[in-house]
Amino acid sequence: AQTVTQSQPEMSVQEAETVTLSCTYDTSESDYYLFWYKQPPSRQMILVIRQEAYKQQNATENRFSVNFQKAAKSFSLKISDSQLGDAAMYFCAYRIDSNYQLIWGAGTKLIIKP
Amino acid sequence: ETGVTQSPTHLIKTRGQQVTLRCSSQSGHNTVSWYQQALGQGPQFIFQYYREEENGRGNFPPRFSGLQFPNYSSELNVNALELDDSALYLCASSPRTSGVPHEQFFGPGTRLTVL
Repeated sequence: AQTVTQSQPEMSVQEAETVTLSCTYDTSESDYYLFWYKQPPSRQMILVIRQEAYKQQNATENRFSVNFQKAAKSFSLKISDSQLGDAAMYFCAYRIDSNYQLIWGAGTKLIIKP
Repeated sequence: ETGVTQSPTHLIKTRGQQVTLRCSSQSGHNTVSWYQQALGQGPQFIFQYYREEENGRGNFPPRFSGLQFPNYSSELNVNALELDDSALYLCASSPRTSGVPHEQFFGPGTRLTVL
């Protein structure tokens, strides 16, 4: 069965510093996508970054970058220069290629200290 | 461009009742997925609709059903409500071309409380 595990229920970081959120997944598929979503208190799930499994290069979106280790089935999110607006629940999610279903981790609550 | 909208934002029902939640997909998106997010947990996939037909289903009983309309909006119906149905229900829409689903964009959710 495909599963996604986020082992950090809560993380805190000082404003302007860097934080890394961890995610591991289990799959026997070779083609899939990985995502990090942010869910602020307003509840709306917002896509932060995505990674195609066939791409060796790690995805980057401004202050957000991933460390994708396919063999280790690890997909961590690094947030640089943390800002107060980054405070939210962060969910790691997985989808196999050409499928419809997102499989989610339990989430990590990120706290930004001013 | 209007994003994904959901109604109502909050809803309180009693056990045994039926509820209908609504979702309007983002312009140009023909695929709608529904997720249940219990408090403190990640979302769980309920089902997806594409071209007005159910296109995949998660591990939810038949009392969870849905519809998709010609304008791609969608409804989630839950019959015989149980206390454990209390959750945030998320709708996500995505474009689909050549049979391949693309990025999902989420609505703000409907918070359902079952008493």
